[in-house]
Amino acid sequence: DAGVIQSPRHEVTEMGQEVTLRCKPISGHDYLFWYRQTMMRGLELLIYFNNNVPIDDSGMPEDRFSAKMPNASFSTLKIQPSEPRDSAVYFCASSLDLHRDRQYEQYFGPGTRLTVT
Amino acid sequence: AQSVAQPEDQVNVAEGNPLTVKCTYSVSGNPYLFWYVQYPNRGLQFLLKYITGDNLVKGSYGFEAEFNKSQTSFHLKKPSALVSDSALYFCAVRDYGNNRLAFGKGNQVVVIP
Repeated sequence: DAGVIQSPRHEVTEMGQEVTLRCKPISGHDYLFWYRQTMMRGLELLIYFNNNVPIDDSGMPEDRFSAKMPNASFSTLKIQPSEPRDSAVYFCASSLDLHRDRQYEQYFGPGTRLTVT
Repeated sequence: AQSVAQPEDQVNVAEGNPLTVKCTYSVSGNPYLFWYVQYPNRGLQFLLKYITGDNLVKGSYGFEAEFNKSQTSFHLKKPSALVSDSALYFCAVRDYGNNRLAFGKGNQVVVIP
């Protein structure tokens, strides 16, 4: 398996522009997580999905952020409009069903480094 | 809510010496505990986990961790550190019945040749 795939790996955009980050989870995984990593705040969970349904979006910072999972193999995180304080590394992670498979670890993608100027 | 604390910002160790990275946790129920490692410009990689059973768990790359319920700790250890172990290490905890992982702030490990 190729692991969790994220694109793009790097994104540089100007303030006010729309940014879309993409993620392909590991095939067969039921859960998908979006995280943001910054020096100041460390690793923060933004939102997670179970079987394509958003379960907990309490970590989404504000209405400028939105996430979708139209099918089991694809998810997007969109920021509109982007601001310089959104600059961070955004990670996608996936995992199996936490109780059915008793496999609780999450597998992370390589991340997208976003810079908003 | 569950949380973890990694008290040290950076751990320096000479190559060949034992490596310990500390983690303490706080949960309302039984803890599920994890260690992850992050190399520069990479995503987090799973190292090991404690769910139940033996308090000493072994993981990838020669790492192990000891679960201590009375001290609410889950310290990561390696008997002999390698230069290639230099990376950022994260401890994480999940409450039973909760699908969220709470990560610590991370510890930078520097192994000196």
